Amino acid sequence: DTEVTQTPKHLVMGMTNKKSLKCEQHMGHRAMYWYKQKAKKPPELMFVYSYEKLSINESVPSRFSPECPNSSLLNLHLHALQPEDSALYLCASRFAGGAKNIQYFGAGTRLSVL
Amino acid sequence: AQKITQTQPGMFVQEKEAVTLDCTYDTSDPSYGLFWYKQPSSGEMIFLIYQGSYDQQNATEGRYSLNFQKARKSANLVISASQLGDSAMYFCAMKEKGSGSRLTFGEGTQLTVNP
Repeated sequence: DTEVTQTPKHLVMGMTNKKSLKCEQHMGHRAMYWYKQKAKKPPELMFVYSYEKLSINESVPSRFSPECPNSSLLNLHLHALQPEDSALYLCASRFAGGAKNIQYFGAGTRLSVL
Repeated sequence: AQKITQTQPGMFVQEKEAVTLDCTYDTSDPSYGLFWYKQPSSGEMIFLIYQGSYDQQNATEGRYSLNFQKARKSANLVISASQLGDSAMYFCAMKEKGSGSRLTFGEGTQLTVNP
């Protein structure tokens, strides 16, 4: 089972709203990722958590706030977003350690900011 | 310089035929991994196949095989017996040992399988 579950699948929000994206995995992976993907482009890394600690922040604006409450769950809190933040947000996880470092992705949340 | 180059923005193939998607990479790290992912229009990035830099044999997973030519820094994906469901965007990616947790992705190739 290589399932990463993301909710919601679609989200429409105004620029003054606060919303959260959720990502869950039960594969025992201890590294979890948030990516942003624009249409017809590769994913761009935003954040990495390793053993529930933030290890990489790719200079993401503070209107995006990640949270990793436990080893299975990853949240992305959104506040005061801009229309250019509309994109597909992908979560991924991988087994921390081991040679292959394969990241397994969820189906994504399609976000529209109006 | 681009670390991962996919030179084919779009490819077309007839159902049941084989197709090769090109990927070249650039690294000075002797330890690295190469990955191929499939992304249908639904959005999910599906892991297909992995090749380690020290692996002696080319990786295979069902209808997918990776043509790994280390000296040419090439890691082409071969899909045999194409199916309509293979129509998707395909991304080649690399993980270098010194890159922490980062994957470097190519720009992708949009594959269309015609009936």
